[in-house]
Amino acid sequence: EDQVTQSPEALRLQEGESSSLNCSYTVSGLRGLFWYRQDPGKGPEFLFTLYSAGEEKEKERLKATLTKKESFLHITAPKPEDSATYLCAVQAQNAGNMLTFGGGTRLMVKP
Amino acid sequence: DTAVSQTPKYLVTQMGNDKSIKCEQNLGHDTMYWYKQDSKKFLKIMFSYNNKELIINETVPNRFSPKSPDKAHLNLHINSLELGDSAVYFCASSRHREGDEKLFFGSGTQLSVL
Repeated sequence: EDQVTQSPEALRLQEGESSSLNCSYTVSGLRGLFWYRQDPGKGPEFLFTLYSAGEEKEKERLKATLTKKESFLHITAPKPEDSATYLCAVQAQNAGNMLTFGGGTRLMVKP
Repeated sequence: DTAVSQTPKYLVTQMGNDKSIKCEQNLGHDTMYWYKQDSKKFLKIMFSYNNKELIINETVPNRFSPKSPDKAHLNLHINSLELGDSAVYFCASSRHREGDEKLFFGSGTQLSVL
């Protein structure tokens, strides 16, 4: 069974304090690993897809990396507007388009 | 224009009732989904559906059934609602094309069963 574990569950940062969120996964053949952002009362919003170990993607203050066992979402000099829940999900080779999500990391950035 | 829209936003009902949640996407995607997000914020796939294939998560009770009148719509019908069905339900859509499978989600329907 595919599994995704995210840590920490919650993270409080001061504005400008860089940190990383972890996503550990076990999957029967990885087809893709996805990062989403979810704001309260809204649906998840796509951030990145990573397909192979060693791949990296960046968007503004966010950078996602991938190894064979985990992915990191690095947040550089975060701002209060980066506060949200960040979700990681894996797509297995034999699972069609269906994703298995982790429980998310709730990030709070204080000014 | 909202890409994936679902209604209602909130749904409060009694145990044993039958209810439906509607979903529409205007992105021209060929695959639609229903996800359930429980109180611990875990998102779990319920159904994946395109013109050719319905994939059902085997853990979903058969009281839940997706109904698709056309490519742009995938409604969720729930029979004999139970307390444990209370959750937020998200509709999503994507292209069925390798390398472009990111999901676009609706804003969710919060279902409360009393």
